[in-house]
Amino acid sequence: GAGVSQSPSNKVTEKGKDVELRCDPISGHTALYWYRQSLGQGLEFLIYFQGNSAPDKSGLPSDRFSAERTGGSVSTLTIQRTQQEDSAVYLCASSLVPGLGQPQHFGDGTRLSIL
Amino acid sequence: DQQVKQNSPSLSVQEGRISILNCDYTNSMFDYFLWYKKYPAEGPTFLISISSIKDKNEDGRFTVFLNKSAKHLSLHIVPSQPGDSAVYFCAASAPDNYGQNFVFGPGTRLSVLP
Repeated sequence: GAGVSQSPSNKVTEKGKDVELRCDPISGHTALYWYRQSLGQGLEFLIYFQGNSAPDKSGLPSDRFSAERTGGSVSTLTIQRTQQEDSAVYLCASSLVPGLGQPQHFGDGTRLSIL
Repeated sequence: DQQVKQNSPSLSVQEGRISILNCDYTNSMFDYFLWYKKYPAEGPTFLISISSIKDKNEDGRFTVFLNKSAKHLSLHIVPSQPGDSAVYFCAASAPDNYGQNFVFGPGTRLSVLP
């Protein structure tokens, strides 16, 4: 497809398990962003990639969260030892290049539920 | 400390009338402002943007106004349609050492009543 693709669309898991969320950005987009949206809240920035490097990891809530991007394309967000407060919709976005107000194109998100 | 604020969590407007969504910001370094629309179970979609060197940008039914001295922007939708019912996010970006850092407001839920 032409848009940002995220998988899985829904994930239910038990507290303490690890989860891996995947984002496939629009081809050619060098910038990739992860956000999360908790129930009734706005978008919370997590991490930003330019190519394969992550110059801004300031939004990651704890060391249980990590992300990587390979080949300047697909990115995975990993949450270790999940907690109930990790339940949220995790959104990925990409943009052609960072800067000059280039709009971000979002995927439909992964809805994560921690039991 | 919220750098981008949308003080109205919700707004209801009659079909055909004007919808005005407001956004305030605190960081004078922001140089681009964007509006996104979000339907349930979908990701936000880009609507319209404005550079800080302009005070108005128009695209069809959507117009964004920027008042830099007041650090305020607004999105006008005229005429409003039931399909416009969604959550609207205001976002701002500022150049940093690595690129563009986007900051989103908490959103305003617009309901357009038939």
